[in-house]
Amino acid sequence: QVQLQESGPGLLKPSETLSLSCSVSGGSINDYYWGWIRQSAGKGLEWIGRIYSTGSTNYNPSLRSRVSMSLDTSRNQFSLRLNSLTAADTAVYYCVREASNIAGRPTDYWGRGILVTVSS
Amino acid sequence: DIQMTQSPSSLSASVGDRVTITCRTSQKILNYLTWFQQKPGKAPNLLIYAASSLQSGVPSRFSGNASETEFTLTISSLQPEDFATYYCQQSYSAPRTFGQGTKVEIK
Repeated sequence: QVQLQESGPGLLKPSETLSLSCSVSGGSINDYYWGWIRQSAGKGLEWIGRIYSTGSTNYNPSLRSRVSMSLDTSRNQFSLRLNSLTAADTAVYYCVREASNIAGRPTDYWGRGILVTVSS
Repeated sequence: DIQMTQSPSSLSASVGDRVTITCRTSQKILNYLTWFQQKPGKAPNLLIYAASSLQSGVPSRFSGNASETEFTLTISSLQPEDFATYYCQQSYSAPRTFGQGTKVEIK
């Protein structure tokens, strides 16, 4: 059973940079897309982007100028960085996996989520 | 971006009721539509993928259908554990977009 676990700071100040990691257990990071989705009261569920095990990325155009993703296959982890934070970035951040053997690659596994609050 | 219009935003129903939730997309997405269930304080859980395929372990009272740009999630006989919020998501193109959610409450 694949499990994903987010880690990182829960409280940041405006203009700071968010760095989150996601540890993958119960399966390999290879040959899958891994992504980040956030959920806030104001905007519902928002897809941030994804990274393939080879390192290729797709980002949401609304966040592209501020976001980057990376992965470490040796540690079975992948990461999110989001800079120039504002209060609007306050949300629960989920790391997710996209299925590899189903057309359209639906999101089939989610982490528990981590609440990130941006406040001075 | 593909726009997702989900309706209703909330509904009240009784145990045993048949419930249908609709998701309309702003363009054709083949069948690349996923339904999730989310309970308070938990991550969303995959129910249906490819518009009508039931995820392993999901009760058969859940079903999905598709017609052009209209997708539906039906719960044939609502059970107490089904009271939750349901979301649709398209995986046809990036950015992957979600519906605004439907909260199913107890009448």
